[in-house]
Amino acid sequence: IAGITQAPTSQILAAGRRMTLRCTQDMRHNAMYWYRQDLGLGLRLIHYSNTAGTTGKGEVPDGYSVSRANTDDFPLTLASAVPSQTSVYFCASSVSGVSTDTQYFGPGTRLTVL
Amino acid sequence: QKEVEQDPGPLSVPEGAIVSLNCTYSNSAFQYFMWYRQYSRKGPELLMYTYSSGNKEDGRFTAQVDKSSKYISLFIRDSQPSDSATYLCAMRGPTGGGNKLTFGTGTQLKVEL
Repeated sequence: IAGITQAPTSQILAAGRRMTLRCTQDMRHNAMYWYRQDLGLGLRLIHYSNTAGTTGKGEVPDGYSVSRANTDDFPLTLASAVPSQTSVYFCASSVSGVSTDTQYFGPGTRLTVL
Repeated sequence: QKEVEQDPGPLSVPEGAIVSLNCTYSNSAFQYFMWYRQYSRKGPELLMYTYSSGNKEDGRFTAQVDKSSKYISLFIRDSQPSDSATYLCAMRGPTGGGNKLTFGTGTQLKVEL
């Protein structure tokens, strides 16, 4: 069982380019999340999805979009990347999205926008 | 002021020492408290999960929550070099709002031989 996989592992991107970060989980979890991790700021929630077909905004959603066409996949898209989006991005999932859920994290994507 | 405050360290201790990691928070709505461990260039992994005030023990790890003081701690007994990692506290309120976890910035721990 792989758990959560993320791709790419790392990426250098020119400002203004479009980029999709991929996230796939094989645990059949209903809820999925995208976080960014920045030095001194910790992990911050970008978008989430409590179940396939639904999404919601987190703490820092601007400049990002997500879709949840099925249970397993939760891609994060940067429509026009800016340098402030340089960060490490983590995808996570949990069984059902309720408060007592444990969130499991993927290995992360290290993104640099120049 | 951040909702969750955590000393970033780094904290360096000798092998076998007792380690104390702490977070304070300001939001009284937080009800669920977690500690995650994150090794370098890896994703966070859940270490401890507590709901009520008091202590919860799991092997060498003890999580402590004091809701009246808005203060949580993680104690590591007989620390090992393999415990060297960044420790993140996380917390959230009742169901809703996307089950948003609010994280501390993490404390970097190094256990030296």
